[in-house]
Amino acid sequence: DAGVIQSPRHEVTEMGQEVTLRCKPISGHNSLFWYRQTMMRGLELLIYFNNNVPIDDSGMPEDRFSAKMPNASFSTLKIQPSEPRDSAVYFCASSLLVNQPQHFGDGTRLSIL
Amino acid sequence: GIQVEQSPPDLILQEGANSTLRCNFSDSVNNLQWFHQNPWGQLINLFYIPSGTKQNGRLSATTVATERYSLLYISSSQTTDSGVYFCAVSGTYKYIFGTGTRLKVLA
Repeated sequence: DAGVIQSPRHEVTEMGQEVTLRCKPISGHNSLFWYRQTMMRGLELLIYFNNNVPIDDSGMPEDRFSAKMPNASFSTLKIQPSEPRDSAVYFCASSLLVNQPQHFGDGTRLSIL
Repeated sequence: GIQVEQSPPDLILQEGANSTLRCNFSDSVNNLQWFHQNPWGQLINLFYIPSGTKQNGRLSATTVATERYSLLYISSSQTTDSGVYFCAVSGTYKYIFGTGTRLKVLA
């Protein structure tokens, strides 16, 4: 079975540019999560979708960050404009139901110069 | 919110040795997972174990929910076990991750 698929694996861009990260959850999973991992803050939840609807976006750092889930098989996390402090590894995860194991993608390593 | 503490923070083992990693949490939880983050940064799901005991090969885990802790046992460690081990807990959907145990297994 295919796991959670994220793209790109690596992204290097200049400050001020728009960045779009993509995620394809495991087929049939109805919960999707975006996490960010940094040395300073560890792993933290940014946003949680249930049945394509954003349920909790309290972890989104600021208005420069936005996330969408237009259908059950695709989600995006967008940063506009990007800043050097956004440099981190961004993970997408999905679970069958909300109280079920979360399965993580390989992450996107983002570097903002 | 729920606090998660993992110990030890760092661990160095000789290949073949056994180890126990601990995760303490401050409140009752409905979900608990152990992950291994390998040197390539991938987060590998080891166990989903909100209570009870599970085993998978050389790895096993036990969660005592009433006492708010979980243990991950690694037996006959191998160099490929190196990486960071995270415990993550939640009452609902919002996982809180511990700061991890960094394990290095020497050949």
